[in-house]
Amino acid sequence: SQQGEEDPQALSIQEGENATMNCSYKTSINNLQWYRQNSGRGLVHLILIRSNEREKHSGRLRVTLDTSKKSSSLLITASRAADTASYFCATDANSGTYKYIFGTGTRLKVLA
Amino acid sequence: DGGITQSPKYLFRKEGQNVTLSCEQNLNHDTMYWYRQDPGQGLRLIYYSQIVNDFQKGDIAEGYSVSREKKESFPLTVTSAQKNPTAFYLCASRGFGRAEAFFGQGTRLTVV
Repeated sequence: SQQGEEDPQALSIQEGENATMNCSYKTSINNLQWYRQNSGRGLVHLILIRSNEREKHSGRLRVTLDTSKKSSSLLITASRAADTASYFCATDANSGTYKYIFGTGTRLKVLA
Repeated sequence: DGGITQSPKYLFRKEGQNVTLSCEQNLNHDTMYWYRQDPGQGLRLIYYSQIVNDFQKGDIAEGYSVSREKKESFPLTVTSAQKNPTAFYLCASRGFGRAEAFFGQGTRLTVV
């Protein structure tokens, strides 16, 4: 399968705690993106990190990228109940085909 | 408001029927995608199109067909050849030179 892998598959934390989820991928990439999906809805783009970047921040989100290990992590700080959703990484394969390869997702539940 | 619209939100199909899912975008995006999502799973690419009157098969194109007669529209037909069509279908689009994808709200197809 070309799909990336994410871990953990599911994560349950208390409000105010930090949530970390990881993504591994298989091919060389131009960039890696993280998306959020609320139950039964479409995906929403959160943040993009390019292959020549190592870390990026956006509000409460922090993304790291290690191209030597073909892995990325998404950290959500000071989580809120509204952060409850599934989170997916997507890689933009360095192939010129404009195809994304999505990970299997992490289901995050933030308990109030 | 600019966006990507999928309809209907819920669709029921009888055995042996073809059904068509609509996807329209007013973002002036060149590339459009169809994904299938099964419960608790990631996204799998069915078809994508980078230009009007041209489209490419994704990883799971068997049993599906698409057309791209207009830039704004990329309908997906689920044919009777698709043996297990019950799933959540997501349409997405991407602007030229941009990395992030914009998703519709999805169509949930159920075989009855």
